[in-house]
Amino acid sequence: SSELTQDPAVSVALGQTVRITCQGDSLRSYYASWYQQKPGQAPVLVIYGKNNRPSGIPDRFSGSRSGNTASLTITGAQAEDEADYYCNSRDSSGNHVVFGGGTKLTVL
Amino acid sequence: QVQLVQSGAEVKKPGASVKVSCKASGYTFTSYGISWVRQAPGQGLEWMGWISTYNGNTHYAQNLQGRVTMTTDTSTSTAYMELRSLRSDDTAVYYCARGTYYYDSSAEGDAFDIWGQGTMVTVSS
Repeated sequence: SSELTQDPAVSVALGQTVRITCQGDSLRSYYASWYQQKPGQAPVLVIYGKNNRPSGIPDRFSGSRSGNTASLTITGAQAEDEADYYCNSRDSSGNHVVFGGGTKLTVL
Repeated sequence: QVQLVQSGAEVKKPGASVKVSCKASGYTFTSYGISWVRQAPGQGLEWMGWISTYNGNTHYAQNLQGRVTMTTDTSTSTAYMELRSLRSDDTAVYYCARGTYYYDSSAEGDAFDIWGQGTMVTVSS
């Protein structure tokens, strides 16, 4: 079982805003990172830290953190954003990394 | 460009071992750690462990302790992951990923910013 909990599936209308959440006690001390994975491809880092985007990631992706919850927000979702999204962080011991179970995002 | 290139697909019998390689290029190999992550068919991502490319220190996931060994060869900028006593539920795509540790006044974290293309390991009799 994962120490980070994500909703299994979320949907959003094209051009609307969607928030994907990740919950876990370790998030009170550690930042989450967010990864986008499309079928048959390796994951891609989209957000890390307080709200940092790697080069090449559109600015419609943003991150936030409150208490034990980290959130990934896509403002103006596009068809190409349809993918699985995973959060990761350290576990409660701080010595290991753990991934959330993933959220399948459908863009309607 | 910065990239990690992994070795090719493997088919192994139960009880055998597999060793997957991950060759880095485009950056200073010893400046970033390498994590290994696997994904069983239709499942989520599972962190397997981490190795410091600077001094070889390792941290392994508890459920793999005793079966996994991660090593590096700094002369060739290559990381390796060996998994022993393979079982059918080890069938998965195995990824290496470059890890960056970051922190600020609020918290700390890790980001896996570069990933290999993945290596399919199939365990079947």
